[in-house]
Amino acid sequence: QVQLVQSGAEVKKPGASVKVSCKASGYIFTRYGISWVRQAPGQGLEWMGWISGYNGNTMYAQKFQGRVTMTTDTSTSTVYMELRTLRSDDKAVYYCARHLGGPIPAAILEIWGQGTMVTVSS
Amino acid sequence: DIVMTQSPDSLAVSLGERATINCKSSQSVLYSSNNKNYLAWYQQKPGQPPKLLLYWASTRESGVPDRFSGSGSGTDFTLTISSLQAEDVAVYYCQQYYSTPYSFGQGTKLEIK
Repeated sequence: QVQLVQSGAEVKKPGASVKVSCKASGYIFTRYGISWVRQAPGQGLEWMGWISGYNGNTMYAQKFQGRVTMTTDTSTSTVYMELRTLRSDDKAVYYCARHLGGPIPAAILEIWGQGTMVTVSS
Repeated sequence: DIVMTQSPDSLAVSLGERATINCKSSQSVLYSSNNKNYLAWYQQKPGQPPKLLLYWASTRESGVPDRFSGSGSGTDFTLTISSLQAEDVAVYYCQQYYSTPYSFGQGTKLEIK
C-alpha cells in the first residue's frame, strides 16, 4: 500500500539544524510531488514548501526561504527536509504529504506521513 | 498571500444532525482557464495526521463517506456533514492550493452536542 514513513522524534538546541526523512513506498516515486507541513503544539497547519519527485525542483514558502532545504534520493525513494538555525518557535510536528496524482498538477495532500516531533530546547 | 478564514472556530452538533463549516479566501481560488476551484478540505483527529476529504472544492476522496460534501466557488466555500456520526468528531481544515504559499484555514473543532 502507498505510505510515507518518517524518521523519529528529534530534540535540538536553539541554533542547530534538523533533518527529517520521509521514505515513500507503494508507488512510483518520481511521478509525485511531496509537500512539507508543520503543526505547532495545539495550533493549525502551516505549509513549508514542496519538492518534485521527478526532478527535485523545489518551491519554498517565503517564510522559510534561506533556512529550509528539501532534497530527494530517488535510489531510496526518500525525501529530506532540513531546517537550520532552529528557534523555540520551530517546535512542531513536521509532516510530509504526497500530492494527489492526475492530469492537473496540484498540491492536494492525499497521503500523509505519521509526523515527526521536533523539539527545540536549550 | 492568500488568507483562509474558517467559521465558526468550534461547533457542537447533535448526532444525526447537519454540521456546516465555512471557509473564506482573501482572493478567488477559481482558476478561470479550467473552471476549477483550488480548494481542499481535511479532517484531523487527535494524534493523527490530517486526512484528505474533498478537493476541487467538491470532489470526494476515495473512501470518504457520502455524508461529507463540499460546495462553493471563488472565495466562499462550505463543508457539510449531512448526518453527524460519533467518528466525525475532529478538527476540519480548508486549504487553498491556487498559489504559493499554499495556506490553511485556522481549523474548526467539531464536537457532539
